[in-house]
Amino acid sequence: DAMVIQNPRYQVTQFGKPVTLSCSQTLNHNVMYWYQQKSSQAPKLLFHYYDKDFNNEADTPDNFQSRRPNTSFCFLDIRSPGLGDAAMYLCATSRGNSGRISADTQYFGPGTRLTVL
Amino acid sequence: AQKITQTQPGMFVQEKEAVTLDCTYDTSDPSYGLFWYKQPSSGEMIFLIYQGSYDQQNATEGRYSLNFQKARKSANLVISASQLGDSAMYFCAMRAPSGGSYIPTFGRGTSLIVHP
Repeated sequence: DAMVIQNPRYQVTQFGKPVTLSCSQTLNHNVMYWYQQKSSQAPKLLFHYYDKDFNNEADTPDNFQSRRPNTSFCFLDIRSPGLGDAAMYLCATSRGNSGRISADTQYFGPGTRLTVL
Repeated sequence: AQKITQTQPGMFVQEKEAVTLDCTYDTSDPSYGLFWYKQPSSGEMIFLIYQGSYDQQNATEGRYSLNFQKARKSANLVISASQLGDSAMYFCAMRAPSGGSYIPTFGRGTSLIVHP
């Protein structure tokens, strides 16, 4: 089945120790997104890629970076995790139909739950 | 600016009964899309249903239907015949133009608990 895969599902890191979260997709979608979701809150968009075009949300901290080496993979790098970065990180994809962007459905992976000690 | 409002932080329903989860939205653009997602405690966001602003009929997907009232800017999710597995967070989202972009906006979510 076509899907969005995130590894690892659970990640524990130490304060200030860089960490990388990965996402892969078999849907062949053009757009990939990274969201941060804290407990009982709506997902907050960090970045998205339309193909290779990188789009950074204005309020995404510099501590967060992303890479998309090819269509299938996208990585989220947290350079110096702080206690406030503990959250669920969700990767999503969408087809990226230029004709009906308003109908472009997002499909999410299972998420990576990050703990910062 | 786009905004999604979900006013019900929590809802309770008896198994096999129907439940309505409220969602209102705000956009000045006539072209937009509305989505509902389910998020169980495991964390994955599961796409449920989509409604386009120009769609004449309310969207339905199995036990899920969307009560779309354009003039009132509401897009309520109706779950018929609730099941225990429906217990989850439910998020309403909208895609509408903002500064040339169509980035989805999510509501704060509603926690649904289905009682046996």
